[in-house]
Amino acid sequence: DAGVTQSPTHLIKTRGQQVTLRCSPISGHKSVSWYQQVLGQGPQFIFQYYEKEERGRGNFPDRFSARQFPNYSSELNVNALLLGDSALYLCASSQITKTSGRSSSYNEQFFGPGTRLTVL
Amino acid sequence: AQSVSQHNHHVILSEAASLELGCNYSYGGTVNLFWYVQYPGQHLQLLLKYFSGDPLVKGIKGFEAEFIKSKFSFNLRKPSVQWSDTAEYFCAVTMNTGFQKLVFGTGTRLLVSP
Repeated sequence: DAGVTQSPTHLIKTRGQQVTLRCSPISGHKSVSWYQQVLGQGPQFIFQYYEKEERGRGNFPDRFSARQFPNYSSELNVNALLLGDSALYLCASSQITKTSGRSSSYNEQFFGPGTRLTVL
Repeated sequence: AQSVSQHNHHVILSEAASLELGCNYSYGGTVNLFWYVQYPGQHLQLLLKYFSGDPLVKGIKGFEAEFIKSKFSFNLRKPSVQWSDTAEYFCAVTMNTGFQKLVFGTGTRLLVSP
């Protein structure tokens, strides 16, 4: 079975530009989360989407946005790029087996290989 | 806010040495705890997880971790490391409610010399 896939693998942009990163979850997984991993640090949560709805958002500026499509794939958009946005962007997918309002039972998140974004 | 502390940023060991990596978290409620590993050039993989039950959990490749609730700790151990264990190790936690945000520590780089 294919794991989580992300594209592109590497990306070089200049300050002020906009970028779109893509993620395809494992088949059957309906939840996608995005993380930013700056060199030398652990991944930081950006967004979680489930059933095309934003379920959670980390402490990132409004320049960061995301969406999830009917096939559960997802895009992360970053506008007005800054040098500090240079990082590895990770996508993770998971099943959610039970929901009650905004509560859900936890399932393991499977990570993709990431997209390495360099902002010059 | 939740946070995770990993005490050792870099660890260098010889093969067959024992390993213990520290992890402490700050959150007063029920948590799920994880150790992830990132081998050079590879993506994050789950080593082991704790949701409930026996506080001593066993993972892949001979790793284990012990959850000590009173100390808010979830230390990773391996009795005898191998060169192939060279990697970066991340401790992570989620709250047991709401959406599934993983909060990671800063990671520990382990170098095992042959």
